[in-house]
Amino acid sequence: NAGVTQTPKFQVLKTGQSMTLQCAQDMNHNSMYWYRQDPGMGLRLIYYSASEGTTDKGEVPNGYNVSRLNKREFSLRLESAAPSQTSVYFCASSESRVTRAGELFFGEGSRLTVL
Amino acid sequence: AQRVTQPEKLLSVFKGAPVELKCNYSYSGSPELFWYVQYSRQRLQLLLRHISRESIKGFTADLNKGETSFHLKKPFAQEEDSAMYYCALVSGGYQKVTFGTGTKLQVIP
Repeated sequence: NAGVTQTPKFQVLKTGQSMTLQCAQDMNHNSMYWYRQDPGMGLRLIYYSASEGTTDKGEVPNGYNVSRLNKREFSLRLESAAPSQTSVYFCASSESRVTRAGELFFGEGSRLTVL
Repeated sequence: AQRVTQPEKLLSVFKGAPVELKCNYSYSGSPELFWYVQYSRQRLQLLLRHISRESIKGFTADLNKGETSFHLKKPFAQEEDSAMYYCALVSGGYQKVTFGTGTKLQVIP
C-alpha cells in the first residue's frame, strides 16, 4: 500500500521552463492538496481539490495550475518556472468525511530548484 | 481569513525537561486544530487532533478558545521527540487545511 506517491523526487529547471509534478493516492480519498515548504515559511497551501472535478486556490496559487485528473491523481504544473518557485513541494490527501477532516496523508515531497 | 501562528522557529530543551510548543490561531468559525510532526527523513504525519482529546507519544494539546491557543505539551522530553512540529487548522467546509510556520524541537541529551 503506497499511500501518496509523488514524482519526480528531484528536479532542476531553468527559469522559464515548464514542468508538471505528479501525485497519486491509492486510499480512495476524495480530497487532495498541494503545499510548498520553505524555510521560515512553513507549509503554504497552493491549491486543493475537495473532490474529483473541483479545485480551489490556496494561499499562494500564482504561477501554478492544477488538474484533478481523476479521483486518484492531482497534478501541479509550473508553466514558466521562476527562481522564487524553488521549494519542496508536498502532495497530500484526506477523506472528506467531517469526522476525518484535517487528517492529511503526505507524500515524500519533491525538491524543485529553479536556476 | 484563517491564520495559524507558531512564534518559535526553534525550541531547544534538555532531555527530561518539559516541552511546550506554542500555537495561536485566528478563525471566525469553530476551529478544528491539529498537530503534525516531521521526523528526519520521514513524511509529515498527523500527531494529534484536538477533538480526540488523546495523548500521543506523551504529547497532549488543549484547545483554549478564550486565548485562541492550541499549545502542544509533554512533561518529559525524549531525544526521539526531536523533529519539526506544525500546528494546523481546518476550514473551508472542513476541506482547507492551513499550517503554521513550524517549530523545530531539539532535545539535547
